[in-house]
Amino acid sequence: GESVGLHLPTLSVQEGDNSIINCAYSNSASDYFIWYKQESGKGPQFIIDIRSNMDKRQGQRVTVLLNKTVKHLSLQIAATQPGDSAVYFCAENTYSGAGSYQLTFGKGTKLSVIP
Amino acid sequence: SQTIHQWPATLVQPVGSPLSLECTVEGTSNPNLYWYRQAAGRGLQLLFYSVGIGQISSEVPQNLSASRPQDRQFILSSKKLLLSDSGFYLCAWRSRTGTVNEKLFFGSGTQLSVL
Repeated sequence: GESVGLHLPTLSVQEGDNSIINCAYSNSASDYFIWYKQESGKGPQFIIDIRSNMDKRQGQRVTVLLNKTVKHLSLQIAATQPGDSAVYFCAENTYSGAGSYQLTFGKGTKLSVIP
Repeated sequence: SQTIHQWPATLVQPVGSPLSLECTVEGTSNPNLYWYRQAAGRGLQLLFYSVGIGQISSEVPQNLSASRPQDRQFILSSKKLLLSDSGFYLCAWRSRTGTVNEKLFFGSGTQLSVL
C-alpha cells in the first residue's frame, strides 16, 4: 500500500512525558519492521527495527513492540524531548519473490513536543 | 561506509519544463535503488525502483520516468513538468543481499516546486 491520500495524524506530547506512536500493518507475512523519523525538509532516518520472531526491542530511549496477532506495531519514546518532534513512519518488509523484499510504509504520524 | 547523494536540494521549475534529478550511492555495489515522492504533510509514495542497471519498475503511472545508467546512479526525469509534480522527492537505496532485515537508507531529498 502507498502512504498517500490522507493528511498525517498528529500526536502532541508534553516535554518529558513518554510518547507512543502506533501503526497497523497489512500483511501477516511481513517478517521485518522498521521505524523511521523524518524531520522537516529532510529524508527519513532509521530509528529502530524488529524481526517478526521478536515482540519487543529496545534502543536508546526508544522501544518497539510488535503484536503479530493483531498486526500492530508501536514505537515508544521515553522522556520525549523537543528534538523528537518529527514525522514517524513505520514500514513492513515483505518477501516479493526471487530473493527480493519490498518495504511498504505506513501513513506517518506527526509528533509535536510541547516545551 | 555507505553514503547517498541527492541533488539539487531545491528546485523551482516552470510548468512544461524538463526535469532531471540525480542520485548516487557510494560505498556499496549492486544496490536496489528507489525514488519516492512526498506531498506536503503526507506519506511516502513509491514511484520507481531498480534492481540493476537498465532495470526500472514503475509503481505509479505518471508524467515521470527513471533511468539507471550506472550501478550506483539513479535519475528521475520528466519531459514536461505539471503542477501536480510538485513535491519532495526522495532517493533511497537498499542492499540486495536477499536477507530479510535490510534497511532502506534515504537521501536528503529534493524539494521541487512547479509554478
